[in-house]
Amino acid sequence: DTGVSQNPRHKITKRGQNVTFRCDPISEHNRLYWYRQTLGQGPEFLTYFQNEAQLEKSRLLSDRFSAERPKGSFSTLEIQRTEQGDSAMYLCASSPRIVGLQETQYFGPGTRLLVL
Amino acid sequence: RKEVEQDPGPFNVPEGATVAFNCTYSNSASQSFFWYRQDCRKEPKLLMSVYSSGNEDGRFTAQLNRASQYISLLIRDSKLSDSATYLCVVNDGGGADGLTFGKGTHLIIQP
Repeated sequence: DTGVSQNPRHKITKRGQNVTFRCDPISEHNRLYWYRQTLGQGPEFLTYFQNEAQLEKSRLLSDRFSAERPKGSFSTLEIQRTEQGDSAMYLCASSPRIVGLQETQYFGPGTRLLVL
Repeated sequence: RKEVEQDPGPFNVPEGATVAFNCTYSNSASQSFFWYRQDCRKEPKLLMSVYSSGNEDGRFTAQLNRASQYISLLIRDSKLSDSATYLCVVNDGGGADGLTFGKGTHLIIQP
């Protein structure tokens, strides 16, 4: 399967714990995005990488959220000191950089987080 | 605040009927537009891009009205498998902003 993959698919944690999610984009895609989706809402943009550079992070929900993409391939999203309000689906998407054409993002299956 | 507004539905439609959804967007500088489909507890998947001239893909037709800032999706001869949530999506001009999603319109095709 050459699509976007995410691990784990499900995560249950206790309030106050740290969690880390991984995203592996489509191999030739240099752009990678993280989104959060809560029930009844569309995905909400969090942050964006072009290669290893994090070009937008002001939309991360709080300073408890951080993301990395150290080698420009896979990315991790970490949530520190989780709260019950962090329970959501965390989606990763990747896209190629195509100049002059509409950029299409391809989504992974998501990681569903439940904070107890 | 940049927003994309959709009627959440649900739209209950008999199989074989034609159904249309609209959405409106607030940022007049938005550059690209999409419809994504999302099945229950699955990730969004691109259904089609929306071009200024309008475009068609089989039973699906998408149109963009920049002057009125709305996007439409028409589904003809609806199938049971069309039941899903349809997300209206806007890109405001490059990767820095990601995609802005509407809340989605829930479509139920009834036999």
